[in-house]
Order: sequence, then C-alpha cells, then structure tokens
Amino acid sequence: GEDVEQSLFLSVREGDSSVINCTYTDSSSTYLYWYKQEPGAGLQLLTYIFSNMDMKQDQRLTVLLNKKDKHLSLRIADTQTGDSAIYFCAEAFYNRLAFGKGNQVVVIP
Amino acid sequence: GAVVSQHPSRVICKSGTSVKIECRSLDFQATTMFWYRQFPKQSLMLMATSNEGSKATYEQGVEKDKFLINHASLTLSTLTVTSAHPEDSSFYICSAGHPGLAGTDTQYFGPGTRLTVL
Repeated sequence: GEDVEQSLFLSVREGDSSVINCTYTDSSSTYLYWYKQEPGAGLQLLTYIFSNMDMKQDQRLTVLLNKKDKHLSLRIADTQTGDSAIYFCAEAFYNRLAFGKGNQVVVIP
Repeated sequence: GAVVSQHPSRVICKSGTSVKIECRSLDFQATTMFWYRQFPKQSLMLMATSNEGSKATYEQGVEKDKFLINHASLTLSTLTVTSAHPEDSSFYICSAGHPGLAGTDTQYFGPGTRLTVL
C-alpha cells in the first residue's frame, strides 16, 4: 500500500525561498503531485512530476524527486504572502491518490 | 480548464435530516469522480470512488447506506448524507478525474462543502 509522510509547519519570510519535503513508500507510483489548500477552500493543483523525472521547474516552483530515497520536495522561490497555505503532496496509485498529512506554510511579511 | 464546482459551499442542517451535495465538472467530462472528507487540520480521507453509470466503490469503514453516491452523468456526481448526525459534520471535497497525463487521470478538486449538523 501507499503511505505518504510530510512535516507539519514552516514559517518563512516574504521574498525567501521555502522548501517542503515529503516521503512516500510506493515505488510503483507513476505521478507525484503537489496541491495547495487555502483556508476553507478545496485543493488547487500546483504541479506534478512523472516518476521517471528527477526535477521539474515551473515558474517559481521547483520539484525534486529522489526515487532511490522516495523523497519529494517542493521549492517555492521568492515566497509571497499569497503562498501562505497548506501544501499536500500526493502519489498516484492506479487512479487513486494517497495524500500526505500536509505542511502549513506561513509567510511573514 | 479543468474546473470543478461544488454546491452548496456551506450547509447547516438539523440532526436526522438528509443533505445532498453536488459536484460538477464544468469544462470537461469526468468518468470518475472522488469524494473525500477532511477533518480540521488533517489530510483528506477518500470516502468513495464514483464511476459514471455504475455503483460507487466505497472505502473500508465508509457506510454506503449512510453516504449515498450517484454519478448520473459525465459531469455530475452527488453525495447524499442520510439521517445526518453531529459526527457527520465535516468538510467534504470532491474531485474529478481529468485525462491527459499519459494515461493517468489527474484529479481536479472542487472548493469543498462545509457541513454542520446541529
């Protein structure tokens, strides 16, 4: 089965970079995703990475995948106050998603 | 593209009543939709997978007679919480599978429905 672990809280100053980490257990996952959830809202798909890739960059977002260690990270460059949210990583297992517990990012102006 | 809506966004009901929540994919057709439940400060818990034209597949521990799911068309799935009780109060989020990533559906999420049962 799949199991996804995330740390819980990150505080970062506006303009700095923030890094969120995630580990997963199922090596057969085809895609790994990062979702953002603002208070009282649903999940917004931020980016994804295919399991045969090591890195993907999308504007301010950089995703790193270490398949050997089953480690996924999301780096947000030039963090803005609008980036304050909970970030979930998720791995796709067939047509299902297994979510991490989420990482709350608080951006300090 | 890939927009999913939910209605209502917030509902308050009395204990014992039933509540229906709608999930719509607005600009794409979704063969599969998913219903999740989220408790405060926790991750999403998958309740069931809804397939158009067939019965939903429920996760272990989720009562199918309590949470009725209907996927009547390729753009609409409904979740009915029957005989709601205060412990059913939660944030319910749906997602719709959108094809396009080399054969794997990407899930796009609705904005969620906050259910409060008094």
